[in-house]
Amino acid sequence: DQQVKQNSPSLSVQEGRISILNCDYTNSMFDYFLWYKKYPAEGPTFLISISSIKDKNEDGRFTVFLNKSAKHLSLHIVPSQPGDSAVYFCAATREGGATNKLIFGTGTLLAVQP
Amino acid sequence: ETGVTQTPRHLVMGMTNKKSLKCEQHLGHNAMYWYKQSAKKPLELMFVYNFKEQTENNSVPSRFSPECPNSSHLFLHLHTLQPEDSALYLCASSPGTGNYGYTFGSGTRLTVV
Repeated sequence: DQQVKQNSPSLSVQEGRISILNCDYTNSMFDYFLWYKKYPAEGPTFLISISSIKDKNEDGRFTVFLNKSAKHLSLHIVPSQPGDSAVYFCAATREGGATNKLIFGTGTLLAVQP
Repeated sequence: ETGVTQTPRHLVMGMTNKKSLKCEQHLGHNAMYWYKQSAKKPLELMFVYNFKEQTENNSVPSRFSPECPNSSHLFLHLHTLQPEDSALYLCASSPGTGNYGYTFGSGTRLTVV
């Protein structure tokens, strides 16, 4: 049972345009969501996060939107740059316990065309 | 340098071999994790350690044996693996409590022949 789903395995966008990556989750107990970016031969790096008490969080070119009723979040990158080409993983967790266990999606490969 | 170092970066081993993966962090984090990344699958959580104690084993076969001698070091001992165990094995650490993201290492690309 996959609790975090990224239904688009890949996305291609022109440089300067908006990239929108989507993520759905099934567990209503999740209350914190993160996006990670991964280049080949490297580990994932943290990009941006959002708590369930918010519906939007912005950091420079990156904005994450959360729709709790739809159990859906999205990552917007504006403007997209060729260096943004990577695999993007959505992750979710719930507060409580001694450690925060992150549940990841399958990732979306973003290709930004010059 | 991400703060989490994994060695080796690449490993090829036979099904009868015994090998170990090493992970080291100097971020002062209290929790460490092993994840497995196979093609077209989500990152799969394998083990969680908090203050050196294992708090989660996600139904991982016994041919994978973790060891956490202190909060800075984590090992994954491998023996009698199968070709389907070939994957990227990622180590991560986090402060432990609260909602924080992980810091990942670069991973060990394991090939079982």
